[in-house]
Amino acid sequence: GEDVEQSLFLSVREGDSSVINCTYTDSSSTYLYWYKQEPGAGLQLLTYIFSNMDMKQDQRLTVLLNKKDKHLSLRIADTQTGDSAIYFCAVGGYALNFGKGTSLLVTP
Amino acid sequence: DTGVSQDPRHKITKRGQNVTFRCDPISEHNRLYWYRQTLGQGPEFLTYFQNEAQLEKSRLLSDRFSAERPKGSFSTLEIQRTEQGDSAMYLCASRTGGQGESGTQYFGPGTRLTVL
Repeated sequence: GEDVEQSLFLSVREGDSSVINCTYTDSSSTYLYWYKQEPGAGLQLLTYIFSNMDMKQDQRLTVLLNKKDKHLSLRIADTQTGDSAIYFCAVGGYALNFGKGTSLLVTP
Repeated sequence: DTGVSQDPRHKITKRGQNVTFRCDPISEHNRLYWYRQTLGQGPEFLTYFQNEAQLEKSRLLSDRFSAERPKGSFSTLEIQRTEQGDSAMYLCASRTGGQGESGTQYFGPGTRLTVL
């Protein structure tokens, strides 16, 4: 099956940029996704990128895709304390394969 | 609220009991998915429906698990003879159909199951 790897923890100061990285094995995904999960809640779609794009920007979020290296990243500009959550990278076809999630802690 | 809804939000049961969860997808979405998420892990795919047809089941879905979507709208996930290892968050997602496998899945809030 699909392997999706993420670093488990990231801590940044409020106002700094956060970069969350993801690597995957299967290159057949048409779309690649970033979801956010707050404690005890379901998954909230943050953004996605089509596989023939290199970059997508959506307000404070920038997604970079390197298909050759099978590497996806999510950059959050001007990180706020409300951004503290777990961020999941997800790839796949009819079913999504998720990484274990990166826990982002934003400190004042 | 027109998002995906799940009921109940929390369920505590004793080992050996049967439980049933319900998912109501976004109304125009014909594809419905069930995932399971254990502590510290990402969601893992269990099964999915296109309209009322169950098209794929994961190896994770043992014979104690059954899912239905009888009228192509809401879905139920039943676990028979629950075990402590079934304790997890059960997530439902839905999306539109169409050509190819593209399309964004929207998730519900989940049902947290605790088996004592």
